[in-house]
Amino acid sequence: GNSVTQMEGPVTLSEEAFLTINCTYTATGYPSLFWYVQYPGEGLQLLLKATKADDKGSNKGFEATYRKETTSFHLEKGSVQVSDSAVYFCALTLMRGSNYKLTFGKGTLLTVNP
Amino acid sequence: DADVTQTPRNRITKTGKRIMLECSQTKGHDRMYWYRQDPGLGLRLIYYSFDVKDINKGEISDGYSVSRQAQAKFSLSLESAIPNQTALYFCATSEIFGDEQFFGPGTRLTVL
Repeated sequence: GNSVTQMEGPVTLSEEAFLTINCTYTATGYPSLFWYVQYPGEGLQLLLKATKADDKGSNKGFEATYRKETTSFHLEKGSVQVSDSAVYFCALTLMRGSNYKLTFGKGTLLTVNP
Repeated sequence: DADVTQTPRNRITKTGKRIMLECSQTKGHDRMYWYRQDPGLGLRLIYYSFDVKDINKGEISDGYSVSRQAQAKFSLSLESAIPNQTALYFCATSEIFGDEQFFGPGTRLTVL
């Protein structure tokens, strides 16, 4: 079946530090890949996505590149801010057949200190 | 106003009680979903709906039922609540399957 594995948290960084959250996946076929972010007390919202190999998704200074050869979609940001403190979820979905559903990783809690 | 709303936002109930969680959306999407979130487990799909006439079980549907009253409304019911159903519940919508999903703010349910 399909699965997503992301690095376990919590991750604690100082403001302006470099962020990487690793995400690897297992899927039959060619999935679309997503990063969702959940701020405290809120629902999930899409941060970025990539739909095919070598695509780079980017938003709010975050980036992730769809690497088919390593089945990875690592999230990076060059300089984090306190406001980036949240839980980050990597997810995948397949468009074909009945494999429509969004499969989530377990989430990674990021805390950024001033 | 929020595109996807959930009521109530918080609920405490007792074992054996019936409870309904409601979701409404103004995005005009046909696809709607119910998830539960548990610490360390991510989100797991309970039910999903293609449209008003088509409802399907997700990976953890036991103990839950749903009703799609209209395109904009999708309710989740716990017929007889038990403590291990204590969790954060999210409703979501999407325009098509496989695309971005839009989440509500969640309902925190505690079953004593």
